[in-house]
Amino acid sequence: NAGVMQNPRHLVRRRGQEARLRCSPMKGHSHVYWYRQLPEEGLKFMVYLQKENIIDESGMPKERFSAEFPKEGPSILRIQQVVRGDSAAYFCASSLGQANTEAFFGQGTRLTVV
Amino acid sequence: LAKTTQPISMDSYEGQEVNITCSHNNIATNDYITWYQQFPSQGPRFIIQGYKTKVTNEVASLFIPADRKSSTLSLPRVSLSDTAVYYCLVGGGGATNKLIFGTGTLLAVQP
Repeated sequence: NAGVMQNPRHLVRRRGQEARLRCSPMKGHSHVYWYRQLPEEGLKFMVYLQKENIIDESGMPKERFSAEFPKEGPSILRIQQVVRGDSAAYFCASSLGQANTEAFFGQGTRLTVV
Repeated sequence: LAKTTQPISMDSYEGQEVNITCSHNNIATNDYITWYQQFPSQGPRFIIQGYKTKVTNEVASLFIPADRKSSTLSLPRVSLSDTAVYYCLVGGGGATNKLIFGTGTLLAVQP
């Protein structure tokens, strides 16, 4: 059973371009979380999704950021018109969604905006 | 969601037992307590989860007093490879299961 797969592992974008980060959850998991981590800082919650539904997006910036988790395929975190401040590691996690189950994290995507 | 408070950092030596305490005064009745470990440039890894009293697995033990306002992660006989950031999370008992990470505790194990 493969773990949570994120791709790409490293992504370089110029200011103003779009960044698409993909996350394939573990088999059987229908809940996905996205986090952002700046160097030397903790993980900041961004969004929590269930298949075809956004459960909680309280950590998402109001502009340029969006996330989806379609019925088929991976979850996508999309950042439009990237700026240097978007440079960070973005982690995805998946779970069964029940209260007492653990979340499994991917290796992250390191976005660098130049 | 209950806020958690942990020490920013701790130092230890190989072979010692390490106890990291987390305060969560506003924990809700249905909330679980979960600990994650994160190495540099990697995603967090689940260590242990509990609701009350004591939980033990092959990696660690988790002690939770009766009032559940704190918890202690115990790592027996740490090694250099246990140097990492340890996060205490509280939640999962409400309508949403979103996981909120605090600042974590950087454990530095020295030879």
